Amino acid sequence: AAGVIQSPRHLIKEKRETATLKCYPIPRHDTVYWYQQGPGQDPQFLISFYEKMQSDKGSIPDRFSAQQFSDYHSELNMSSLELGDSALYFCASSPASGGARETQYFGPGTRLLVL
Amino acid sequence: AQTVTQSQPEMSVQEAETVTLSCTYDTSENNYYLFWYKQPPSRQMILVIRQEAYKQQNATENRFSVNFQKAAKSFSLKISDSQLGDTAMYFCARNDYKLSFGAGTTVTVRA
Repeated sequence: AAGVIQSPRHLIKEKRETATLKCYPIPRHDTVYWYQQGPGQDPQFLISFYEKMQSDKGSIPDRFSAQQFSDYHSELNMSSLELGDSALYFCASSPASGGARETQYFGPGTRLLVL
Repeated sequence: AQTVTQSQPEMSVQEAETVTLSCTYDTSENNYYLFWYKQPPSRQMILVIRQEAYKQQNATENRFSVNFQKAAKSFSLKISDSQLGDTAMYFCARNDYKLSFGAGTTVTVRA
């Protein structure tokens, strides 16, 4: 079965640089979520999109922005990177049917290291 | 504030034995979903089991089962016949349009 695809899998950036993370949801899933997991921590919700519209927002820094495109893939744009942005970034997707409480399926994550 | 609480940072179990992980949560909703996710050393987040709050029957997936106590807001995970591949961090999560995770329990299965 197809899973959530994230690219790149690993990314190394310098401070103050920008980064773009991409997420391709499972086919026929129209809701995408982004989470950030720091070392030794649980994943923290950043932002979500349903039908290309932002549906919820969590602890996402103003330096970050995201969007969902017509083919339902999503991109997380991160600017003015800081050392503290080093983390594992997960994308998850779910079908909208059954309500927003459907199960979320996670991609493999993008490991971002800011030097 | 943490709305999902896992009070056991680490658990160790002998291969083939049973281990139970505890989880409590806060919610004012009557209908919601609860999940257990497994995160092995690869750090992939893998869905283990889910429970719908309006269903009284406890969910079961092969060697994994839950004890869902709605009134007590408790959602424990039992791993039976533990295998070395079960070694991972286990996160309890509640879904309210986004997932809120507990701090996780590291499970180590000893040979």
